[in-house]
Amino acid sequence: EVKLLESGGGLVQPGGSLRLSCAASGFTFTDFYMSWIRQPPGKAPEWLGVIRNKANGYTTEYNPSVKGRFTISRDNTQNILYLQMNTLRAEDTAIYYCARQTTEGIAYWGQGTLVTVSS
Amino acid sequence: DIVLTQSPALAVSLGQRATISCRASQSVSISRYNLMHWYQQKPGQQPKLLIYRASNLASGIPARFSGSGSGTDFTLTINPVQADDIATYYCQQSRESPPTFGGGTKLELK
Repeated sequence: EVKLLESGGGLVQPGGSLRLSCAASGFTFTDFYMSWIRQPPGKAPEWLGVIRNKANGYTTEYNPSVKGRFTISRDNTQNILYLQMNTLRAEDTAIYYCARQTTEGIAYWGQGTLVTVSS
Repeated sequence: DIVLTQSPALAVSLGQRATISCRASQSVSISRYNLMHWYQQKPGQQPKLLIYRASNLASGIPARFSGSGSGTDFTLTINPVQADDIATYYCQQSRESPPTFGGGTKLELK
């Protein structure tokens, strides 16, 4: 069974940093592209970026809206996906989901972790 | 970015057909592939994939859900609507990076 479990969310002050983690299980982690997607309260999801699979060299791609502030990485020995977020702003307040991304849509999402940016 | 436009809400009676539309600002089709997907989201839950590549039913999804469309115009149909289908529905394109989502259509009971 595919499982994705995010952690690391919480309250952070504007200008601060936070690192989210996503523990993956139930599939061969290195075979898949992994993404981060966020959803502000009451709004639509927003794709943040992807880290590709082993066959594609684990390269990354980001939404221009967060490029330069957010960094996606992965630990392929422990099957963990990371999202490093810097210079956080109030508008970064959202539920953050990790997801397994394929050409057949996003069939697997984590349960999400809430990040609140506020003083 | 490709902008996806959905009507904010749709009121429907139980047992009737619901048709939810999504219009893209440019074509999301490549060759025979229509790179549009549909999700259902209930309050407090993560989105659930219903339909991938416009018309393919995701695993475990009931056959009362169906999708159609190509190019810039896509439709999700629920027939018949059941009480458990009351939720918000999002379309999402993967034709061009960044992948984008529509604003969502909230399905409500009439």
